[in-house]
Amino acid sequence: RKEVEQDPGPFNVPEGATVAFNCTYSNSASQSFFWYRQDCRKEPKLLMSVYSSGNEDGRFTAQLNRASQYISLLIRDSKLSDSATYLCVVYFYNQGGKLIFGQGTELSVKP
Amino acid sequence: NAGVTQTPKFQVLKTGQSMTLQCAQDMNHNSMYWYRQDPGMGLRLIYYSASEGTTDKGEVPNGYNVSRLNKREFSLRLESAAPSQTSVYFCASGGPRSGNTIYFGEGSWLTVV
Repeated sequence: RKEVEQDPGPFNVPEGATVAFNCTYSNSASQSFFWYRQDCRKEPKLLMSVYSSGNEDGRFTAQLNRASQYISLLIRDSKLSDSATYLCVVYFYNQGGKLIFGQGTELSVKP
Repeated sequence: NAGVTQTPKFQVLKTGQSMTLQCAQDMNHNSMYWYRQDPGMGLRLIYYSASEGTTDKGEVPNGYNVSRLNKREFSLRLESAAPSQTSVYFCASGGPRSGNTIYFGEGSWLTVV
């Protein structure tokens, strides 16, 4: 089993919809968490870090649940430009800084 | 532009040939990483290096070797390429011990025939 797992998608939603992605991780030791966005096999780019108390950046909200070992990403009022693959990323401090990606969730926003 | 530079961008190899993918970063990051990405598989960690002179295996290290000779450079070597190593390879640097953001190179498209 992978240490970081995501809903594989694809998610096909209309413009304006709200969509949520989940990501689970299997190691409960000290970590940091991130969401990355990847367009068409280009290099991934940071969307947002995920903080313990949850955090918001415009239409994007990230949450962390350490007890259940998952993180989530909520996108409100989806735009066509949100179409991409969303990758959750876990940084393991206790394993020398190992950085593991989930498989990615593909989102397609339609007019 | 500052960031992560990886070469070559495209390469075709014959089965059994060897090659080295080069990666350099100019952001003074301690941590560097090599990933491969195959369709539907996300990015899988091959090797990583927490600091100059140290390397650790990731999720899929078989068939690869790495070298972190200095802080800037982290190379990935395929000693005897196999068709299963056809993939897109990404180098990255940074992470929580280096200001948080992880920066990626543009990727190297490798085909083994």
